[in-house]
Amino acid sequence: DIQMTQSPSSLSASVGDRVTITCRASQSISTYLNWYQLKPGKAPKVLIYAASSLQSGVPSRFSGSESGTEFTLTISSLQPEDFATYYCQQSYSTPYTFGQGTKLEI
Amino acid sequence: QVQLVQSGAEVKKPGASVKVSCKASGYTFTGYYMSWVRQAPGQGLEWMGWINPKSGGTLYAQKFQGRVTMTRDTSISTVYMELSRMTSHDTAVYYCARGVVVTTNWFDPWGQGTLVTVSS
Repeated sequence: DIQMTQSPSSLSASVGDRVTITCRASQSISTYLNWYQLKPGKAPKVLIYAASSLQSGVPSRFSGSESGTEFTLTISSLQPEDFATYYCQQSYSTPYTFGQGTKLEI
Repeated sequence: QVQLVQSGAEVKKPGASVKVSCKASGYTFTGYYMSWVRQAPGQGLEWMGWINPKSGGTLYAQKFQGRVTMTRDTSISTVYMELSRMTSHDTAVYYCARGVVVTTNWFDPWGQGTLVTVSS
């Protein structure tokens, strides 16, 4: 199985901050990497697919990048609604696997 | 709009089975695979497997082989996930998620989740 190592596990930040979350795959996954946002009591939501493509309707302050087996989610200027938990996920091969999650707190 | 609506919360005793439904609307039901993903309390996301609604074919994560069964009813655009011989470790929120395939693949949208509690 492909292991996804996500860091940090938690992050304290303020409105307006720029934050970066990193995910490393245990082997090459090309650009088969997606980012999701989870909020309590709500359906998870895809933010970025194919490593760097912004899902329709997602604010442009979210961006994704890739360098080899390392992937990054960046939020350029945090807004109050961005405080949530974020997960990366590889869709290169089954079983699809997720990172451990990053809880973004105020 | 594309929407997945899941059945309500369940409480089960150890050793029992649960069957969760996921009703799709707003798109061609047979055109997209459906995956099931769960999240135990305080834990991360775990993919359980997928079903091809067109053929009924399935692929299960090895961890759940022999305990999970995914089925579908095309007449009502609904997929089901049944998990048997449950223990307390199966207490989790279970999500269905549509698989979108273009050059790569991702999950969009997700259902609202179904809390399954296993307790004696």
